[in-house]
Amino acid sequence: DADVTQTPRNRITKTGKRIMLECSQTKGHDRMYWYRQDPGLGLRLIYYSFDVKDINKGEISDGYSVSRQAQAKFSLSLESAIPNQTALYFCATSAYPADRAEQYFGPGTRLTVT
Amino acid sequence: GIQVEQSPPDLILQEGANSTLRCNFSDSVNNLQWFHQNPWGQLINLFYIPSGTKQNGRLSATTVATERYSLLYISSSQTTDSGVYFCAVSYTGNQFYFGTGTSLTVIP
Repeated sequence: DADVTQTPRNRITKTGKRIMLECSQTKGHDRMYWYRQDPGLGLRLIYYSFDVKDINKGEISDGYSVSRQAQAKFSLSLESAIPNQTALYFCATSAYPADRAEQYFGPGTRLTVT
Repeated sequence: GIQVEQSPPDLILQEGANSTLRCNFSDSVNNLQWFHQNPWGQLINLFYIPSGTKQNGRLSATTVATERYSLLYISSSQTTDSGVYFCAVSYTGNQFYFGTGTSLTVIP
């Protein structure tokens, strides 16, 4: 079984709808991250969390919210989806200390907002 | 944030050829990783290499932290090496910064 899983893998939704992307990990890592990738670009950080009570905004958090339900679960919500949020979304984890540890990525969720 | 520049942006190789991909970064880092994004979008860890040299089969990487660059070497390329190669860096472990990648196509 994969260490970092994401659901759904693909999703098409309409403008204005609320949508949640979920991430689970079995690596036992404290740190979890959400990124988005736009075509032809690298990944950009949306939110990161160091434990259940510690959630921080990344580079591009506007229009997104997150919830860390447990050490192993980190979800990303789009409260009112808009077309420019169409992208590939990745969840990642890392061990402590994160500045000296590898990040491990889930398989990605391809989101299309029409 | 830390600026990350990767070169070349695109690369087309004949199977069996060698290549060097470069990652330049604008500030001191404690964490540097190379990833391969395959044609299905999956990100595969290649190297965690904040400094020094590592080798894994046909791939090797070198980071010269004092000069703020890293190199990824691919030898005897295969069609399965096709995809996009990303460099990602961080100083604090809070924020990771990715380059825009090198798109590699290996032709049989």
